[in-house]
Amino acid sequence: GAVVSQHPSWVICKSGTSVKIECRSLDFQATTMFWYRQFPKQSLMLMATSNEGSKATYEQGVEKDKFLINHASLTLSTLTVTSAHPEDSSFYICSAFPDSYSNQPQHFGDGTRLSIL
Amino acid sequence: AQSVTQLDSHVSVSEGTPVLLRCNYSSSYSPSLFWYVQHPNKGLQLLLKYTSAATLVKGINGFEAEFKKSETSFHLTKPSAHMSDAAEYFCVVTLNAGKSTFGDGTTLTVKP
Repeated sequence: GAVVSQHPSWVICKSGTSVKIECRSLDFQATTMFWYRQFPKQSLMLMATSNEGSKATYEQGVEKDKFLINHASLTLSTLTVTSAHPEDSSFYICSAFPDSYSNQPQHFGDGTRLSIL
Repeated sequence: AQSVTQLDSHVSVSEGTPVLLRCNYSSSYSPSLFWYVQHPNKGLQLLLKYTSAATLVKGINGFEAEFKKSETSFHLTKPSAHMSDAAEYFCVVTLNAGKSTFGDGTTLTVKP
């Protein structure tokens, strides 16, 4: 079945560091990928929609300059948390759609646990 | 606009007994509906999906869900719970644009 690989799975770094998270679709092309943030015991919150070859669309309240998204190819999207601070600590999950039709399920990566000291 | 309501934040069952996780939705258009399971510190795994075909949908690990348009419900069931079913479950509605709306999740606890 379709697999989405997310890397790294766990990051611990100092405040002020920039952290890049990769999301790869391993056996399908994904024009659209999504980035979510999940706080403990809560549901997923959509941060942005990443489209290959164009700018990402951010949800209201999400800082574009803080969370940089690059969808460089049909199999790779990256999320860079710039100048990370402790309040950015969270679980980040990406997902990818194999095509543009809604009746195809999105496939999720295993998530990245980001801890900023 | 679309929304999803998972009616129970926590469900606790004994091993071997039935599981019922409830989900109601609202949508301006015909949505696609999904149930996902999440184990601790993991991503989401698809259990099953409804995409306007059969209203009773069978998924993996013995789970199934029934789409009831008149009740705007998509409840998840399993005849007999296993310890390994303990996890967080999310009901999700998706429209053509691919944007998804997630329920708040239901924590399933399975007692031995």
